Amino acid sequence: QSVLTQPPSVSAAPGQKVTISCSGSSSNIGNNYVSWYQQLPGTPPKLLMYENSKRPSGIPDRFSGSKSGTSATLGITGLQTGDEADYYCGTWDSSLGRVFGGGTKLTVL
Amino acid sequence: QVQLVESGGGVVQPGRSLRLSCAASGFIFSTSVMHWVRQAPGKGLEWVAIISYDGSNKYYAHSVKGRFTISRDNSKNTLYLQMNSLRAEDTGLYYCASHREGSSWYETAFDHWGQGTLVTVSS
Repeated sequence: QSVLTQPPSVSAAPGQKVTISCSGSSSNIGNNYVSWYQQLPGTPPKLLMYENSKRPSGIPDRFSGSKSGTSATLGITGLQTGDEADYYCGTWDSSLGRVFGGGTKLTVL
Repeated sequence: QVQLVESGGGVVQPGRSLRLSCAASGFIFSTSVMHWVRQAPGKGLEWVAIISYDGSNKYYAHSVKGRFTISRDNSKNTLYLQMNSLRAEDTGLYYCASHREGSSWYETAFDHWGQGTLVTVSS
């Protein structure tokens, strides 16, 4: 059971937009930055977003991040089949240290 | 380019030990904060440990504290994870990852990852 709650799966058609939520509490998301990772099948995770909404170099602006209160959201527009992956949020928790969400599997129909 | 290459994984019996290594290249390892993160088969990510650039500060997940030790040799550009008293629940793919430069110590921003080394704890 993860401290950060993500939906197990989301799906959308190519070209559409999808959002992935990450819900926490005041001991984690509420008072700390959130990062997001993309893990394509059989590969290590890749940093997509840091400090809630900042994209590392090379990450297209189709990916966006936001945070409000104790929840964070990853948005992906212009969905491509290559976006099919597992997505994880991560943050600092005052009791547990660094924590990740359980992951969300994105299917592009 | 940045490369992180883990090694040392394998099959080990419960209660035994294993030492993982992570060889770094393509960046200034000696000034980089480093982490170990693991992933059980078919499961999500779990942060394991962090070490400061000079090895003076180390922190661990509750699940491994007292059993695992993170260390580094900056002269060899290598990160280590000594794992003792291994349990079945320690089974998984172990990644080394670099802490994003400029991010605070408390952030979960890991900007480069190795391919991982598989540890299987089984009798």
